[in-house]
Amino acid sequence: DGGITQSPKYLFRKEGQNVTLSCEQNLNHDAMYWYRQDPGQGLRLIYYSQIVNDFQKGDIAEGYSVSREKKESFPLTVTSAQKNPTAFYLCASSIFFGGRALYEQYFGPGTRLTVT
Amino acid sequence: DQQVKQNSPSLSVQEGRISILNCDYTNSMFDYFLWYKKYPAEGPTFLISISSIKDKNEDGRFTVFLNKSAKHLSLHIVPSQPGDSAVYFCAAADSGAGSYQLTFGKGTKLSVIP
Repeated sequence: DGGITQSPKYLFRKEGQNVTLSCEQNLNHDAMYWYRQDPGQGLRLIYYSQIVNDFQKGDIAEGYSVSREKKESFPLTVTSAQKNPTAFYLCASSIFFGGRALYEQYFGPGTRLTVT
Repeated sequence: DQQVKQNSPSLSVQEGRISILNCDYTNSMFDYFLWYKKYPAEGPTFLISISSIKDKNEDGRFTVFLNKSAKHLSLHIVPSQPGDSAVYFCAAADSGAGSYQLTFGKGTKLSVIP
């Protein structure tokens, strides 16, 4: 079955520690995205990547970093510089068609990060 | 500045009746709109989309209507079923912006009462 895997589902960290969230997809999608969701809020884009070895900042990239060394993988690191890291993090992907990513993004199950 | 607004945080509907979820946007450059459904502790699932060249798109029980002059879109679910109970997000994109960013609303929690 094709899909997007995010692990772990729940993650707990102490303040001041960096933490890396995993996102893997076997959909052969070119574009991948990271979003953050807070209670009562919509999804806000952190970073996105259209192709391997390239990524762009979204609306709230401060305190986060990403890498895209493989097409299937787009890990997100939440650094100690992120002031409010506790949130639900969602990874998504989409296909390219005619040189453009389609807007229909497919989401993973999410990782709930709690930092205390 | 919220560019995509879902002004109703919640909506309750009886099973079998119509559910109407509304979404307004302020950015006139948005030309592609999507609806996603989300269950708690899960990722959103794509439901239906519409391009600004259309004013209606149907897929089974789900229909999205777009009123460009009013910058308003709505999702109709007919008939509503208990399994439709979830949070629904409206999202919008500007296809000319050169990025593939979706701007999401805050969501409307739909409860379908058996």
